[in-house]
Amino acid sequence: AQTVTQSQPEMSVQEAETVTLSCTYDTSESNYYLFWYKQPPSRQMILVIRQEAYKQQNATENRFSVNFQKAAKSFSLKISDSQLGDTAMYFCAFGGFSYQLIWGAGTKLIIKP
Amino acid sequence: ETGVTQSPTHLIKTRGQQVTLRCSSQSGHNTVSWYQQALGQGPQFIFQYYREEENGRGNFPPRFSGLQFPNYSSELNVNALELDDSALYLCASSSKLEDPAYNEQFFGPGTRLTVL
Repeated sequence: AQTVTQSQPEMSVQEAETVTLSCTYDTSESNYYLFWYKQPPSRQMILVIRQEAYKQQNATENRFSVNFQKAAKSFSLKISDSQLGDTAMYFCAFGGFSYQLIWGAGTKLIIKP
Repeated sequence: ETGVTQSPTHLIKTRGQQVTLRCSSQSGHNTVSWYQQALGQGPQFIFQYYREEENGRGNFPPRFSGLQFPNYSSELNVNALELDDSALYLCASSSKLEDPAYNEQFFGPGTRLTVL
């Protein structure tokens, strides 16, 4: 069975700093997708970035980028030039053949002014 | 393009009661997944519906049931409510493609259920 682990329950950085959130996963599948979702206090789960496992190039979306290490089963999220609006819960999720998403426990990110 | 909507926003029930939560999928999507998110935790997969059929189920008892309608909207029904059913219930829609691993899901705002 697949598992997703986020080892940082909470992180706090100053505005404009760079922060990296960690995620590790376990699977025996070779073809899968990994996601980072953001859940602000409004509760709406918003997709931040997506990585296809068969792509070696790390995905980037503006200030958000990932470090995908397939052999190590690691998928970290880097947020550059952090903004107050980045304050939220961040969830790492695994999507494989079974179609359901397997989620980590989340990391609470606080951006301080 | 209309996003995923859910109703109601909040709901308060007592133990033993039954509840129905509703979800309208995003335009063009034919798959709906339901998740339970307890306070301070990540979402847990309940089940998924694809073209009106259940297409996978998580570790939830049979008192959690669902439906998908021809317009791809969906309902989640929970019978004999227990205190531990108190949670945020998230609905997500997606479009099944040929790649079985593709599963980008778009979420609604959730329904907060409180069981007293």
